[in-house]
Amino acid sequence: QVQLQESGPGLVKPSETLSLTCTVSGDSISRYYWSWIRQPPGKGLEWIGYVYYSGSTNYNPSLKSRVTISLDTSKKQFSLNLRSVTAADTAVYYCAREHDFWITSWGQGILVTVSS
Amino acid sequence: DIQMAQFPSSLSASVGDRVTITCRASQSIDTYLNWYQQKPGKAPRLLIYSASTLEGGVPSRFSGSGSGTDFTLTISSLQPEDFATYYCQQTYTTPFFGGGTRVEIK
Repeated sequence: QVQLQESGPGLVKPSETLSLTCTVSGDSISRYYWSWIRQPPGKGLEWIGYVYYSGSTNYNPSLKSRVTISLDTSKKQFSLNLRSVTAADTAVYYCAREHDFWITSWGQGILVTVSS
Repeated sequence: DIQMAQFPSSLSASVGDRVTITCRASQSIDTYLNWYQQKPGKAPRLLIYSASTLEGGVPSRFSGSGSGTDFTLTISSLQPEDFATYYCQQTYTTPFFGGGTRVEIK
């Protein structure tokens, strides 16, 4: 059974870049869509984007100018970079695996706080 | 972008009640509609995909219906473990989640 684990700093300063990595175990990363979703404290889910195993990407239009999602198949990892962060980017960030058109597996989530 | 309106935003119900949650798309999304359950401090869990297909291991008291713009998630007999927040998600175009429905104990 696939497992996903987010890692990265829990605190990022305003205007800097938020960088997270998701490590995949228990299944091949060379299939499926690999996604990032976030959830501000007490609020709903926001889809950030995904990278397909081929390397193609798709991003939420509201974040597209600041987001890059990439894949490293040799390490079985995929990563999120979110540039020029503000307090509004404070959230729990989830990595996930999308099978066809639905998300079947999620990481446990990592809280990232944007603060000086 | 296709927006998803989910309602009610919260509801109170008792164990054994029948509960219905609605999701409405701003334009037709065929059956590209999924439902997730999220409990506090946990990642969401897939309940239903393609509007009406039950994910493996999900109790049969959960069901989904609809196509086009209007969709419903029904819990036929609410159980104590069902008190949670439910989200719809459209994947017809760039994926978007509905705002969520919090199901609370009456």
